[in-house]
Formats: sequence, structure tokens, C-alpha cells
Amino acid sequence: QSVLTQPPSASGTPGQRVTISCSGSSSNIGRNTVNWYQQLPGTAPKLLIYGTNQRPSGVPDRFSGSKSGTSASLAISGLQSEDEADYYCATWDDGLYGHWVFGGGTRLTVL
Amino acid sequence: QVHLQQSGPGLVKPSQTLSLTCAISGDSVSSNSASWNWIRQSPSRGLEWLGRTYYRSKWSTHYAVSVKSRINIKPDTSKNQFSLQLNSVTPEDTAVYYCARDGGGSLFWGQGTLVTVSS
Repeated sequence: QSVLTQPPSASGTPGQRVTISCSGSSSNIGRNTVNWYQQLPGTAPKLLIYGTNQRPSGVPDRFSGSKSGTSASLAISGLQSEDEADYYCATWDDGLYGHWVFGGGTRLTVL
Repeated sequence: QVHLQQSGPGLVKPSQTLSLTCAISGDSVSSNSASWNWIRQSPSRGLEWLGRTYYRSKWSTHYAVSVKSRINIKPDTSKNQFSLQLNSVTPEDTAVYYCARDGGGSLFWGQGTLVTVSS
């Protein structure tokens, strides 16, 4: 139902590298930069990546983003237990007047 | 440092109006470089953008098609805040509602308000 498509779950062991995908279309990811948000239970989403591959101050460089065509990816290297959270991709969609669109979220489990 | 503080009731009866306010500190609702958004999150609908208001020499407001007939987002320059009104609510409108600032390519979120629609 979400405009952007993410896998519902992902997992890895501590120290591993995990990738989460986000698929969109030519009107959204194909034309605009992508943001990634991390959401812990009971809290608001927190900006993790903006401008497709930029990290806000304070976000570890273990987190990285990329985009190719109408798909984007979030990579987490050196997985840590505190990375266990829900991850959402988001971007602007160039429809009438434009609007934000989101992925359905990926629940990351650290085994 | 921008801070968004949400307020409003957590319980609304079916067919009534949901009303929330988002007070802004560290920025101005009249900023020429930001837009002010309402987004909701529910298990059934995920994250759903509802609408936004912004000032670029005049005020503009745009709404999601899914709620366009019953939503109103208004700025209040005297209190530096903006509000959400959603009319004729049903249990399907039960969600966590967030206000968010778009400063040019990314969203900064308020703390969220769980609104339950129930009699």
C-alpha cells in the first residue's frame, strides 16, 4: 500500500553488513533525493540519511545511502545491537503540487 | 535548534473533528524556506502524508487526495504554530499524528500524538 516498496524485515549478526532496499518510480526516487529514517519503539522517526547519501551530524559513518535509477539502498556496516529498529525511506513525489511519500518500513533484527 | 511541540486530545468520537496544534520554536511558520507538514502513522496505512502549508510571499496549502474533502491545515502567525483539523473522523483515522518541518529536502518531526477514534 505504501508508494515506496521496502522489504518488511531484515536481520544480521553483530559486525555484519546489512542492506535495506527501497523501490519507487520515475516521479519520486527517479527525480529526487532520498531520506532514510530510523524509528525506535514509541518515538518519532529520526533522520539518518538525507540527500540520498548525506549523514546529519551525529550519525555514525556505519550508515550509508545510495541510489540507482528508481531504487535506493541503506547500508549498515558493523551492525550493533542498538541498530535494532524500524527503517523507513522517504522522498518527494512530483505529482500535482508535490507531496512526501514513504516506504512501508523494514524491521531490522540484530540476531 | 528547531523544536516542534504538539498538543491536542488523544481521543475523538466518530463523526467529530480531530484537532491538533504544533507549536514551533527555533524557526518561523512564515519562513520562506520551510514548509509545515502533518503526517500520520498507523499499522494499516503506514506513514501517510496528509498535507502542508508554507509561505512564499503568500500562503499556500496542499492536501493529500485521500483526505482532501475533510482536512484543514492553518498557520497561526501570532502564536508561531500551525494546526490540523480533520472532520468526520472514523476509526480508520486512528493513528499517531506527527507535525513535521521540511527545511528543504528532509523532514524534522514533532514528538507525535496518538489519536484514537472511538465512542
